Formats: sequence, structure tokens, C-alpha cells
Amino acid sequence: QVQLQESGPGLVKPSETLSLTCTVSGGSISSYYWSWIRQPPGKGLEWIGYIYYSGSTNYNPSLKSRVTISVDTSKNQFSLKLSSVTAADTAVYYCARGGRIAPGDMDVWGKGTTVTVSS
Amino acid sequence: DIQMTQSPSSLSASVGDRVTITCRASQSISSYLNWYQQKPGKAPKLLIYAASSLESGVPSRFSGSGSGTDFTLTISSLQPEDFATYYCQQSYSTLPTFGGGTKVEIK
Repeated sequence: QVQLQESGPGLVKPSETLSLTCTVSGGSISSYYWSWIRQPPGKGLEWIGYIYYSGSTNYNPSLKSRVTISVDTSKNQFSLKLSSVTAADTAVYYCARGGRIAPGDMDVWGKGTTVTVSS
Repeated sequence: DIQMTQSPSSLSASVGDRVTITCRASQSISSYLNWYQQKPGKAPKLLIYAASSLESGVPSRFSGSGSGTDFTLTISSLQPEDFATYYCQQSYSTLPTFGGGTKVEIK
């Protein structure tokens, strides 16, 4: 059974770059779309972007200028970088698998990791 | 962007009640509509995909219907473990978007 696990710093300073990695276990990263989603405290869900295992990407236009998602198939991992962070980027960040029918059909999620932006 | 509007934003119900949550898209999304359940401190869990297909392992008391712009999630007999927040999400466009959520609370 496929499992996803997010990892990375829980505290990032304003103006710096947030970096997270999602490790896929129990299955291959191939043939699926891999998304990042975030949820600010007490708020709803916002899709950040996804990457296909081949490397093609699609980002939320509201974040596109600051987001990079990459994949390392040899390690069964994909990663998120979000630059120039502010307090508004404080959130729980989830990784998820997509592609049940459409790339945005997210059927397996990681447990989430809390990232706080503060000096 | 396709806007997803859920109603109500919250509801109170008793164990055994039939609960219905609606979701409206700002434009037609065919059947590219998913429903997720989220409990406090936990990740969202996929319940329904493609508007009406039940995800494996999800109890049959959950059902989804609709197409185009109007969708419904129904819980036929609310159980204690169903108290949670429910989100609809469209996967029709290249920018997946979520509804604002419906919090189901104990009456």
C-alpha cells in the first residue's frame, strides 16, 4: 500500500526559501501525478502544483512565480521549493498522489507537515 | 479559475440522521468532482471521485451525485466517526480548486 511522507524544516525565515520533500513508499512514483497542497491554520485547502513522474509540471498561477516542483525517480521522491516566503505561507503542507482519472484526483495523501514562517 | 461553493458551511446533526451537502461549480465541470473528508489534525481522505464513484474502503452510507455544475454528497445514516469537515474539489481544469468546506458537528 502506497504511503507518502513529507519532510523538511518546520521553521523558515521570511524572504527565504521553503524546501520540502515527499518520499513515496510501497509503490513506484512512475505513472502518476504528484501534488503539493497546503492548508493555512483554520482555513481551507489550496492546491500548489503537481509534477508528472516524467518531469512535466503544472503550478497554481497565484504561486507560479515562486514555486518549483521536481522529481527524483531514483529515490522515489518529489520536492517543493517556495521562494520569498512570508507569514502568509505558514501552513500545513501535504503531498498527494493524483491521476485516478484526472491529474487532480488525489487518492493518497501524506500526513502533512507544519511550516511556520517567522524570524 | 473555477470557483467551488459549498453549502452549508456548517451543520449540526444527530447520529442516524441523513445529511446532504451541496457543491456548486462556477462553470460546468462534467463529472470531475471529488469529495474529501478531513478530521482535525489529519490529512484529507478521498471519499468519492468522478462525482459518484465510491473510493475503495469507504462505507456505502456515503454517496455522491450530480454533473455539470451541481453536486451532492449524502451520508445516509450519520455515524459518530463521520463528524468531520467535508470538501468538494474539481479536477476538470488544470487548476484544481476546493470548496470552502462543510463542518459536520454533533447536535
